[in-house]
Amino acid sequence: GAGVSQSPSNKVTEKGKDVELRCDPISGHTALYWYRQSLGQGLEFLIYFQGNSAPDKSGLPSDRFSAERTGGSVSTLTIQRTQQEDSAVYLCASSGGGQPQHFGDGTRLSIL
Amino acid sequence: QKEVEQDPGPLSVPEGAIVSLNCTYSNSAFQYFMWYRQYSRKGPELLMYTYSSGNKEDGRFTAQVDKSSKYISLFIRDSQPSDSATYLCAIREMDSSYKLIFGSGTRLLVRP
Repeated sequence: GAGVSQSPSNKVTEKGKDVELRCDPISGHTALYWYRQSLGQGLEFLIYFQGNSAPDKSGLPSDRFSAERTGGSVSTLTIQRTQQEDSAVYLCASSGGGQPQHFGDGTRLSIL
Repeated sequence: QKEVEQDPGPLSVPEGAIVSLNCTYSNSAFQYFMWYRQYSRKGPELLMYTYSSGNKEDGRFTAQVDKSSKYISLFIRDSQPSDSATYLCAIREMDSSYKLIFGSGTRLLVRP
């Protein structure tokens, strides 16, 4: 596609439920990144994929968070047993050939 | 101390003014510098990127890097109401192909 696509754009769920967020990167981009943007915390790195492998997961805040990437393209970020502090905008970015990262519009996650 | 410091603003200027946005960073290993613009409820949009000290110009935008002072700036000439957004500086290490470290963002309002 022309840009990074994320779905859903908004998600409201109850505390304790699991959620899956999807990212479709720019075609041909081998690198994919997840960030979280919350009030007072700014934009924080979560995880980086090169192809299907994740050499850096250091930003994942707890073991309730996991991510995978299949076919070197689409990625899903899963949050299990959601907590209210998980409420944030989850942003996905992709890049290729060492070029800067391009972002999607994010998924706005609200935990009730 | 945060690795990247940015004044959150808000910064309010009249249309046509020259705007100066700034960030400081603490790690001299940082070698790659970017400015993103983020409109409300949208993802960050890449404006400028550079890896060398000095100035880089693109239309009304000029990015300036001073590695000796660990200081980066974005200048906007002839500012327009459509420039009203949050501006984020982002930095990464030269040898790293991942993980941008963001400033907290500066909110800019250009008054007609």
